[in-house]
Amino acid sequence: AQKITQTQPGMFVQEKEAVTLDCTYDTSDQSYGLFWYKQPSSGEMIFLIYQGSYDEQNATEGRYSLNFQKARKSANLVISASQLGDSAMYFCAMREGSETSYDKVIFGPGTSLSVIP
Amino acid sequence: GAVVSQHPSWVICKSGTSVKIECRSLDFQATTMFWYRQFPKQSLMLMATSNEGSKATYEQGVEKDKFLINHASLTLSTLTVTSAHPEDSSFYICSARDLGIHYGYTFGSGTRLTVV
Repeated sequence: AQKITQTQPGMFVQEKEAVTLDCTYDTSDQSYGLFWYKQPSSGEMIFLIYQGSYDEQNATEGRYSLNFQKARKSANLVISASQLGDSAMYFCAMREGSETSYDKVIFGPGTSLSVIP
Repeated sequence: GAVVSQHPSWVICKSGTSVKIECRSLDFQATTMFWYRQFPKQSLMLMATSNEGSKATYEQGVEKDKFLINHASLTLSTLTVTSAHPEDSSFYICSARDLGIHYGYTFGSGTRLTVV
């Protein structure tokens, strides 16, 4: 069984500041993948960043970076230079199995981020 | 990039009726699609995995006779909520694996179902 924990139900950040959203996971698989998705009020799921369990370097995508600490089973999302449009729900998610398989993706409970002008 | 088209985006139906939700992969073949349900202010909960040409795999606690899934082609999966009741009101969203992106899971835009 896998489990994803996001301990921050809600977060506030000042515009232009950086913010870290926490995510810890539990899996017995050696091969797995971690995702972060953004969900605005419209409901669409927007892919932000991915980290494979065998990736040695932390993933980065523009203003998003993933602080991957494998031994601690932690995959925190860092958003730099927050913008008002970053206000949304953020979900950490995990896929177990190889990257060429069709394994399901399970989501954490989410963190609601509000960016303050 | 990969696109999954989901329809309808919202639907209101009477209690006791059935509702069909469609998800189509527009520019790639999706052997497997996933169906999620999301209640307000909650996370996405996986309901079932839809496999082309075979029976869907349902998660524990999901009634397969109530949530009928059909994946008849490589580009289309449907979820039918049968005999809908108010407690089935939720946001339903599908996802498909796109092997063109090695980690890619593309989501539909979701369907907001309201049962009155």
